[in-house]
Amino acid sequence: AQKVTQAQTEISVVEKEDVTLDCVYETRDTTYYLFWYKQPPSGELVFLIRRNSFDEQNEISGRYSWNFQKSTSSFNFTITASQVVDSAVYFCAPWFSGGYNKLIFGAGTRLAVHP
Amino acid sequence: DTAVSQTPKYLVTQMGNDKSIKCEQNLGHDTMYWYKQDSKKFLKIMFSYNNKELIINETVPNRFSPKSPDKAHLNLHINSLELGDSAVYFCASSQRGQQGPQYFGPGTRLLVL
Repeated sequence: AQKVTQAQTEISVVEKEDVTLDCVYETRDTTYYLFWYKQPPSGELVFLIRRNSFDEQNEISGRYSWNFQKSTSSFNFTITASQVVDSAVYFCAPWFSGGYNKLIFGAGTRLAVHP
Repeated sequence: DTAVSQTPKYLVTQMGNDKSIKCEQNLGHDTMYWYKQDSKKFLKIMFSYNNKELIINETVPNRFSPKSPDKAHLNLHINSLELGDSAVYFCASSQRGQQGPQYFGPGTRLLVL
């Protein structure tokens, strides 16, 4: 089976706290891509990052960082020093090559950052 | 310039009506998609077109009919609207073969009364 799990439905933090959003996926494919999207309260879907299965380097972009662990099939997303503007629903979305050829979105994690 | 645009942004209509949503992208991508997001925020793909050819057709009622007049446009027509069709519909585009990111339009919020 090919699927993605975002076990955290909602997370609530106070500004400046660090927060990690978990994403675990299942696949037998050796080639796949992993994406994160942000959906702020305004409703649009914003692309954050794309990672392919052969590149296990972690990535940092400002306050955002991503930890890809192929051995545990996880692609977690950390926001450092969270801000109120980070409040949104975050989606992990793998793209599996094995006959699916489409993004499979997780259920999303709703992050609320309070002042 | 808006990369992926959708019209209308809001659509309120009565059960049984027929409605269309239009989507246009100016990113030069060759693949376009329609997604449905329900009230619990679940996002699911409905259709995908590559160069005007249907390549993904999920289990969607045949009241939904996509149409791609050219690779920059993908419209969604819905016949005989039902209450359960109320959702946000997103259009997206990407470049096939590169597994690049999909870029989404702003969404169309459909409410069927």
